[in-house]
Amino acid sequence: GENVEQHPSTLSVQEGDSAVIKCTYSDSASNYFPWYKQELGKRPQLIIDIRSNVGEKKDQRIAVTLNKTAKHFSLHITETQPEDSAVYFCADVSPGGGADGLTFGKGTHLIIQP
Amino acid sequence: ETGVTQTPRHLVMGMTNKKSLKCEQHLGHNAMYWYKQSAKKPLELMFVYNFKEQTENNSVPSRFSPECPNSSHLFLHLHTLQPEDSALYLCASSQDGNRVYGYTFGSGTRLTVV
Repeated sequence: GENVEQHPSTLSVQEGDSAVIKCTYSDSASNYFPWYKQELGKRPQLIIDIRSNVGEKKDQRIAVTLNKTAKHFSLHITETQPEDSAVYFCADVSPGGGADGLTFGKGTHLIIQP
Repeated sequence: ETGVTQTPRHLVMGMTNKKSLKCEQHLGHNAMYWYKQSAKKPLELMFVYNFKEQTENNSVPSRFSPECPNSSHLFLHLHTLQPEDSALYLCASSQDGNRVYGYTFGSGTRLTVV
């Protein structure tokens, strides 16, 4: 991808509520959109991804939606729990999109308030 | 472990020292990456190797010197670093072809330059 904007940079929600993180991309050829979770002091880990031929994907409390027309995709976490507190990164990639593969957003620090 | 191992986990070095970071993957991947993660620029791509050939150098200062002797090993040689180089250095690897699939991070090396 070329550029990925991620918002918000910090998100604080009450335990049990839902959290939504949004990313926009600029390269219309982007075809793969993963989300990574990074807990404090640990490595980023893939939590969910979506390909451009799908509009929504769900895995238990986590879902990702993709709007290709608007060039944005979102991460949805329902029934948030304390262990969801982490930094979340979105990314995209376009086919043959250069040697760097994934282009990452700047991250969202999700804080789950007890 | 994820299959991508980085050593050391922590490193403190003086500005005149020479040190090396090591990354090793046992996933059968053919592309490997170095990222710098700091508060100012999360997940900043530094170097990309595909089939041992460097394919990307995002204008990284020459005090950082990568080496990829084979598809399973990646090094980052450090010399005459500056305090602003203090950061978490993450290694990642991914599959050949569609290089982003199977993208996996190591746990990182926390570098402090004094």
